[in-house]
Amino acid sequence: ETGVTQSPTHLIKTRGQQVTLRCSSQSGHNTVSWYQQALGQGPQFIFQYYREEENGRGNFPPRFSGLQFPNYSSELNVNALELDDSALYLCASHLGGVITIYNEQFFGPGTRLTVL
Amino acid sequence: ELKVEQNPLFLSMQEGKNYTIYCNYSTTSDRLYWYRQDPGKSLESLFVLLSNGAVKQEGRLMASLDTKARLSTLHITAAVHDLSATYFCAALRPETSGSRLTFGEGTQLTVNP
Repeated sequence: ETGVTQSPTHLIKTRGQQVTLRCSSQSGHNTVSWYQQALGQGPQFIFQYYREEENGRGNFPPRFSGLQFPNYSSELNVNALELDDSALYLCASHLGGVITIYNEQFFGPGTRLTVL
Repeated sequence: ELKVEQNPLFLSMQEGKNYTIYCNYSTTSDRLYWYRQDPGKSLESLFVLLSNGAVKQEGRLMASLDTKARLSTLHITAAVHDLSATYFCAALRPETSGSRLTFGEGTQLTVNP
């Protein structure tokens, strides 16, 4: 059984560009959540995907979008990058749309995005 | 809207001393999590607290939950340098669709020799 993995580890982009971050869920997990963690702050919920459909969204603009694939891996896409998008992006996976004591959430190692 | 507040945000303490980090949350939550994060790293789960009066201990760390006061504490006993990290509490509240964690701002702990 493998844990949650993310790629790439680090990424540098310039303002206005587009970026795609990838997440592979822990084996058997069909739900993926994405979080943005700016430097010195706690993670902020971006959105969640369950069975390939968006299943909840935080206060992020539409230029943050996502996909979940049949194998439950996921992508986070950010268009028109802004300097404030520089952050650590974390994905987390669990089984089922709702986190319960029987299906806890596990975080990946994160992708560090720097926007210049 | 669920809000989570931690204090203190910065904590510098000497080895061997005790201290408590506080976590307040604004509305009913299904459970409360504590995470540790080392610089540049992801989140390491420490504790999950499910019910009122829950207490969990692991080594020099002990977490408790008071759902009536909407307060969780993380108590550090006889601190050692290896505990230096940022500690986050997070509250879980299932939404009408899915569920999400709301995190506090974090407490940056530095343990000095």
